[in-house]
Amino acid sequence: DQQVKQNSPSLSVQEGRISILNCDYTNSMFDYFLWYKKYPAEGPTFLISISSIKDKNEDGRFTVFLNKSAKHLSLHIVPSQPGDSAVYFCAASALTGGFKTIFGAGTRLFVKA
Amino acid sequence: DSGVTQTPKHLITATGQRVTLRCSPRSGDLSVYWYQQSLDQGLQFLIQYYNGEERAKGNILERFSAQQFPDLHSELNLSSLELGDSALYFCASSVDGAGELFFGEGSRLTVL
Repeated sequence: DQQVKQNSPSLSVQEGRISILNCDYTNSMFDYFLWYKKYPAEGPTFLISISSIKDKNEDGRFTVFLNKSAKHLSLHIVPSQPGDSAVYFCAASALTGGFKTIFGAGTRLFVKA
Repeated sequence: DSGVTQTPKHLITATGQRVTLRCSPRSGDLSVYWYQQSLDQGLQFLIQYYNGEERAKGNILERFSAQQFPDLHSELNLSSLELGDSALYFCASSVDGAGELFFGEGSRLTVL
């Protein structure tokens, strides 16, 4: 039961260009969405989040867009830097009822210098 | 440093054995989560505890069990181990059981 899907296992982008990572979800109960970044041999670290009452949240080079009607969110990284090369996980949860946080399978981003 | 501590970092054992993974959450966090990451797979949710009580359960095998103690640390017990149980096991914590999770560095289990 894949409630959160990241259909692209990997993405390669040139340094300085935009990276767009996509995520789809199926459960309409989700009302809070997060992106995590993971380097090898480390645990995932929180990057940015968005509540379902918003359609955009920006933090420096990172912007998350939410399209509730399409049950789709995306992470934009502009400009991409080699240090952004990592695995990015999309996650979804419901703030009420202690709903579990569900993660997607991850997208490995390669930023080429 | 996320503030979440997991031990051991690495563990090698044989099929049929039992192991215990330990997690200390960030100071002040009441909720603990366990996730399994197999080779090239995503993070599979196993179980969540909030202030000592089980709150949510994912695809956790019957051979696996967990608990959260009064001091809020948590243990994940894996028994009758199989080769397929080899994975990275992550613990995460959060203040209120939802929202941002803080992950430990993981415990890498190898079953031979």
